[in-house]
Formats: sequence, C-alpha cells, structure tokens
Amino acid sequence: ETGVTQSPTHLIKTRGQQVTLRCSSQSGHNTVSWYQQALGQGPQFIFQYYREEENGRGNFPPRFSGLQFPNYSSELNVNALELDDSALYLCASSLRTGSGDEAFFGQGTRLTVV
Amino acid sequence: AQSVTQPDIHITVSEGASLELRCNYSYGATPYLFWYVQSPGQGLQLLLKYFSGDTLVQGIKGFEAEFKRSQSSFNLRKPSVHWSDAAEYFCAVGGSARQLTFGSGTQLTVLP
Repeated sequence: ETGVTQSPTHLIKTRGQQVTLRCSSQSGHNTVSWYQQALGQGPQFIFQYYREEENGRGNFPPRFSGLQFPNYSSELNVNALELDDSALYLCASSLRTGSGDEAFFGQGTRLTVV
Repeated sequence: AQSVTQPDIHITVSEGASLELRCNYSYGATPYLFWYVQSPGQGLQLLLKYFSGDTLVQGIKGFEAEFKRSQSSFNLRKPSVHWSDAAEYFCAVGGSARQLTFGSGTQLTVLP
C-alpha cells in the first residue's frame, strides 16, 4: 500500500455536470500528478502540481482543472462532463528531488458519465 | 515527443515458464524508465525503475528489466511465472517520475 488515497472510489455523473475528485498524497511528498485511464488503455498524463503551482499539462482541455493545497493534497475538477470522460482517474505523488523520483499511485476513482 | 510502444497486447504463459514483456520507447534525452503492474480495478504498483548506472535492474516479485539504449528498449523479464503474476503490465518513460508517458499495456494470463 502506497499511502496515496483517493476519494471517492466510484462516482456516477450525468453529462454536462461537474465533478471534483480528491487525492491525499503520501506523507512528505510535494508533487501530485493526475492521470486518466480509459478502459483498455494506458494512463494519460493530465497535469501535475508542485508546491501549489501547475507544473506541466498534458493534452487535455481547460475544463480539466486542478488545485494543490498547502498540505500537498490535491483536487481534480472536470466541468461540462462528456461521455468520453468516463475513466479511471489516478493520482500519483512524488518527492521532487531533482535526481529521479518515484511516483506512488493511489487506487483511483472510477468515474462513469451517463 | 515521447512515446512508449508495447507490441504485445496479450501474452499467455504457463505457470513456471519464463516471461519477457517488450517495451520500446522514444525520448529526446536520457530517459527514466519504469514498469508498473495493475490488477483489475486497482491502481499501479511500481515493479522497477531505471534512472542511470547498471543497465540490468532488479525489481520486486522477482522481476528484472534490461535497458538497451541502442535498441531503445526496456524489456521486462521473469525466469519463472507464478499464477499471482496475472495482471496488466505497463511500461512508462519520463523525465524523472514527474510526467510519465505510458504504453498501452500488456495483459498477462497465466495457465495452471
């Protein structure tokens, strides 16, 4: 078990709604990354937060946004949900040391958009 | 742009047989390479990582991987597979662990 916890574990939303997913990073970690894993696919990088600032973003539209809090926990917000947003959303925390850091993943939130 | 190719979508092996999962990557600088395993409905568990140094890296659960720069490969191996190894395996590349690009995964089935 990694110490990275995500909530909720499962969620069902209607198209057009908004959703907030939460991630509590491993103790001592200052970097949080979010990934989207569609069924049968590998995870795709959404964005990363380091010390409360966005530190890189993948090919996702602006309706995907995030926050990192002073305790390094994080939220992923998705507005105007679409059916294709149905996926497993994974949070990963790491300690940015500059020498190669290891990411620890949570169990994920399964989002279903109907 | 960085990318990862896992050519084998699905591999089936008998318990006790050896295993090799293939991974080819494209990355503009010295890559950091990872293998993760995912059981159904679960998150990702790190098996092993390569940052620098010895090109043969040992991981958990008896797995190892070899980095071959000339072939842009990072294949995962295990000498003797156990039934509990059945899962999906993902290779990933990145500039450290911060922003990873994953392959599409290889599903491993283990026959008794």
